[in-house]
Amino acid sequence: ELKVEQNPLFLSMQEEKNYTIYCNYSTTSDRLYWYRQDPGKSLESLFVLLSNGAVKQEGRLMASLDTKARLSTLHITAAVHDLSATYFCAVISTSGTYKYIFGTGTRLKVLA
Amino acid sequence: GAVVSQHPSWVICKSGTSVKIECRSLDFQATTMFWYRQFPKQSLMLMATSNEGSKATYEQGVEKDKFLINHASLTLSTLTVTSAHPEDSSFYICSANRQGNFYEQYFGPGTRLTVT
Repeated sequence: ELKVEQNPLFLSMQEEKNYTIYCNYSTTSDRLYWYRQDPGKSLESLFVLLSNGAVKQEGRLMASLDTKARLSTLHITAAVHDLSATYFCAVISTSGTYKYIFGTGTRLKVLA
Repeated sequence: GAVVSQHPSWVICKSGTSVKIECRSLDFQATTMFWYRQFPKQSLMLMATSNEGSKATYEQGVEKDKFLINHASLTLSTLTVTSAHPEDSSFYICSANRQGNFYEQYFGPGTRLTVT
């Protein structure tokens, strides 16, 4: 069974600091997704990583994928309060029906 | 493009009653729709996958008779929570794949269900 784990589960950080969220998955997957979720809201798509070595950046967030290590990272540069949210990674399970498997989530709190 | 709506956005119902949640793809045809449940401070858990015109595929541990899913058209799927109990209180999120493109899922805004 495909499992997706994130760490840390909770991250409290100071503004202007840099941090990384890690996403490990247990079997091969075609691609990896990162989402943001604000309290009481649904998911907002951040990145789709399609191949080994893929790197994507948007503002203060940068995501990368290492398919050999089954690891993706979401790096936060010079954090600001507006980045406070829960971040999920997800992979596609191709065993049986195609479906998304979500990571455990990382609750990020950026302190002013 | 690729907008998914859910209705209602929130609902409160009494224990023992049934409640229906609608998921619509507004500007595209959705081959497949997915229903997720999310408890507070937890991740999204897939409940079932529904394809238009066929029976839904439920994940292990999800009661088919309690969570009725109907995917009557390429733009509408419904989830009916039957004989609701307080433990069914949760945030329900649907998503949809654009026809011909499995890899992109578009998420609805979610429905907050509270069972009293």
